[in-house]
Amino acid sequence: AQSVTQLDSHVSVSEGTPVLLRCNYSSSYSPSLFWYVQHPNKGLQLLLKYTSAATLVKGINGFEAEFKKSETSFHLTKPSAHMSDAAEYFCVVTPAAGNKLTFGGGTRVLVKP
Amino acid sequence: DAGVTQSPTHLIKTRGQQVTLRCSPKSGHDTVSWYQQALGQGPQFIFQYYEEEERQRGNFPDRFSGHQFPNYSSELNVNALLLGDSALYLCASSLAGGPQETQYFGPGTRLLVL
Repeated sequence: AQSVTQLDSHVSVSEGTPVLLRCNYSSSYSPSLFWYVQHPNKGLQLLLKYTSAATLVKGINGFEAEFKKSETSFHLTKPSAHMSDAAEYFCVVTPAAGNKLTFGGGTRVLVKP
Repeated sequence: DAGVTQSPTHLIKTRGQQVTLRCSPKSGHDTVSWYQQALGQGPQFIFQYYEEEERQRGNFPDRFSGHQFPNYSSELNVNALLLGDSALYLCASSLAGGPQETQYFGPGTRLLVL
């Protein structure tokens, strides 16, 4: 079985300050992990993915995430938030390639000017 | 290169009716997965189709059924609609055996059941 817990349902940051979105996972297998972003009334866009290569993963739009097996965490960070980063972010786990994706509950990010 | 497309974008039905949603995968992809996203929640896996067969299924009742066509496009059918079926339905496509079989999502179909 697998599950994902996003520790914050809402995060509010000021433009230009760092963003941290926290994610813990549980998986019986060596997982693949993803972060997706969903802007209002839009579909899901892949930000980045971890698949047992480098533990620090760089994604699009300046985001990166670090896989920590000992902590079963996969937190997403960005050094400087932009207004366009306001959206909902989902941490996702899958036990193997091609298997169903299991989503966390989401973290809504608000960026203040 | 066209991404994943879904139709219709919005749909309103009444309880007890049946609905069909459609998905065309990204060019070169052969696998289609369907997800239901209720308001304020993360998407939930419904099922996945590969080579015109249902490969995996999530915890959804038999009222939810699907089909994949030889051109890899797919349909999601829901019978005997309930108010609780109101949600955003997302289709994702991937290439079997491709890089981590990363799934790419369409914009979704928003279904409202009255």
